[in-house]
Amino acid sequence: DTEVTQTPKHLVMGMTNKKSLKCEQHMGHRAMYWYKQKAKKPPELMFVYSYEKLSINESVPSRFSPECPNSSLLNLHLHALQPEDSALYLCASRPGPNETQYFGPGTRLLVL
Amino acid sequence: AQTVTQSQPEMSVQEAETVTLSCTYDTSESDYYLFWYKQPPSRQMILVIRQEAYKQQNATENRFSVNFQKAAKSFSLKISDSQLGDAAMYFCAYRSAIKAAGNKLTFGGGTRVLVKP
Repeated sequence: DTEVTQTPKHLVMGMTNKKSLKCEQHMGHRAMYWYKQKAKKPPELMFVYSYEKLSINESVPSRFSPECPNSSLLNLHLHALQPEDSALYLCASRPGPNETQYFGPGTRLLVL
Repeated sequence: AQTVTQSQPEMSVQEAETVTLSCTYDTSESDYYLFWYKQPPSRQMILVIRQEAYKQQNATENRFSVNFQKAAKSFSLKISDSQLGDAAMYFCAYRSAIKAAGNKLTFGGGTRVLVKP
């Protein structure tokens, strides 16, 4: 099973809303990632969690707040977003240090 | 910092024909990994093929094969016997083998592949 799941598939929110994106994998992978992808562009790395600890934060604004409650679950909490934050948010996980990243289907976010 | 360049924004291929996508990268490291990912309209990034830099043999995966030229820092993808389901955006990606680099993927800008029936 190489499945990474993400919910919701689509999300529309206002600039004053608080929402969360969820990513889940049950493959025993110990590293999980959040990427942001704008239309017709490659994914941009936001955060990396390794063994449930934040290991990389690519200077992401504080209105994005990641959380890794356990080894299977990764959340991205959203608050006071801007319209330019509208994008596809991809989650990925990786089994081990030299292994490949497996991506989820993404959440398409629209901020009004 | 490493950079990955895909010089072809879009490629068109006839069904059952072959298409080759270009990718070049810039690095001072000797040990690294290269990947091709496919992203169809469904949006999910799907791994197509992976190459370890220390391996001289080119990776193959069914109809997909790569031409890895380490000295030239080139990593092209060949899709043989193209099928309608191959239509997608293809991203070339680089990952350092250095643990401190955090296993970050550096992506190229992507090449859109259109398959004509």
